[in-house]
Amino acid sequence: AQSVTQPDIHITVSEGASLELRCNYSYGATPYLFWYVQSPGQGLQLLLKYFSGDTLVQGIKGFEAEFKRSQSSFNLRKPSVHWSDAAEYFCAVGNNAGNMLTFGGGTRLMVKP
Amino acid sequence: EAGVTQSPTHLIKTRGQQATLRCSPISGHTSVYWYQQALGLGLQFLLWYDEGEERNRGNFPPRFSGRQFPNYSSELNVNALELEDSALYLCASSLEGLADGNEQFFGPGTRLTVL
Repeated sequence: AQSVTQPDIHITVSEGASLELRCNYSYGATPYLFWYVQSPGQGLQLLLKYFSGDTLVQGIKGFEAEFKRSQSSFNLRKPSVHWSDAAEYFCAVGNNAGNMLTFGGGTRLMVKP
Repeated sequence: EAGVTQSPTHLIKTRGQQATLRCSPISGHTSVYWYQQALGLGLQFLLWYDEGEERNRGNFPPRFSGRQFPNYSSELNVNALELEDSALYLCASSLEGLADGNEQFFGPGTRLTVL
């Protein structure tokens, strides 16, 4: 069975500081990996995805993530955080069998002025 | 291009009643997915419909059911509502499957409250 762990429930960073959100997954084959962002009361917006190829993927809003098979990780990074980045971030793994996404518990990001 | 839409935005029911939630996918998308986001339980996969058929089901009791219509819109029905069914229900749509590199696009959700 596939699973996703986001070890950090809450993270607070200062505006302009760099950000890294951790994601570890468990899946037998090559995973499909995603990062989504959810603002309060809203649905999920896709930030970026990894299916194959280059292990460093670029997303929207200046985010990037790196797939590291040896560490079973897919950490999300941003060099300079903006106040508008405050939201909840979800890492997810998918498979092509049941098409379901399995989500981590989420990391709530707060941005200090 | 319109995104995934869901109705109603909010729904309040009492225990034992039935709830019906609706979802319209992005135009051209044939797959619709339902997820439950309950407090303390995170986001959990409920159902996947494609071309009118149920293709996969998460670990939920049979009182959670749904269907997909010929125009690819979908309904989620929850019978015999229980207090723990209170959650945000998210619908997503995609072009066919993940294997083709297709991501899921999410709607804004329906907030179901069971009193």
